[in-house]
Amino acid sequence: DQQVKQNSPSLSVQEGRISILNCDYTNSMFDYFLWYKKYPAEGPTFLISISSIKDKNEDGRFTVFLNKSAKHLSLHIVPSQPGDSAVYFCAASFNAGNMLTFGGGTRLMVKP
Amino acid sequence: GAVVSQHPSWVICKSGTSVKIECRSLDFQATTMFWYRQFPKQSLMLMATSNEGSKATYEQGVEKDKFLINHASLTLSTLTVTSAHPEDSSFYICSASRDMNTEAFFGQGTRLTVV
Repeated sequence: DQQVKQNSPSLSVQEGRISILNCDYTNSMFDYFLWYKKYPAEGPTFLISISSIKDKNEDGRFTVFLNKSAKHLSLHIVPSQPGDSAVYFCAASFNAGNMLTFGGGTRLMVKP
Repeated sequence: GAVVSQHPSWVICKSGTSVKIECRSLDFQATTMFWYRQFPKQSLMLMATSNEGSKATYEQGVEKDKFLINHASLTLSTLTVTSAHPEDSSFYICSASRDMNTEAFFGQGTRLTVV
């Protein structure tokens, strides 16, 4: 039973446009959500997070939106750059702890 | 951010042998460390949580006698894959945090190939 799902295994976007990566979760007890970027044969790199008391968090080109009623979050990257090409994982935790449940990942390809 | 180092980055071993993977927090003391496994094109799955000085807590379906975890100091946790078989071939990643409620930092991962 996957508690965190990323339904799009891949996404292709033109450089300069917006990338939108989506994530759904089923467990309403999750109260902290994170996005990671990962390259092959490397560990995940933290990008941005959001607490369940907020519905938006922004950091430079990255914005995360949280819709608690829909149990859905999304990561917006704008403008997208070729260097953003990687696999993006969303993750969720309880009590803002650091034991994470990951989604399946979405491979983002940003074309020059 | 803090630095977490894993060693080795990759290892090839023969079936039936044991392999030890180290996870070190280089510039902070990690009370809690996590071990994840990632199969090709799949998500990172939590294997176990280890707290310094106590026994690791394993996730359902993870054999604790096969995946031995030791967290003997505040800067080092080790994962030993005992009697490794080809199906254990995977990418193993650790993360470390000062405690259960602070940010966890990931190591660079270890690619294990069992032949």
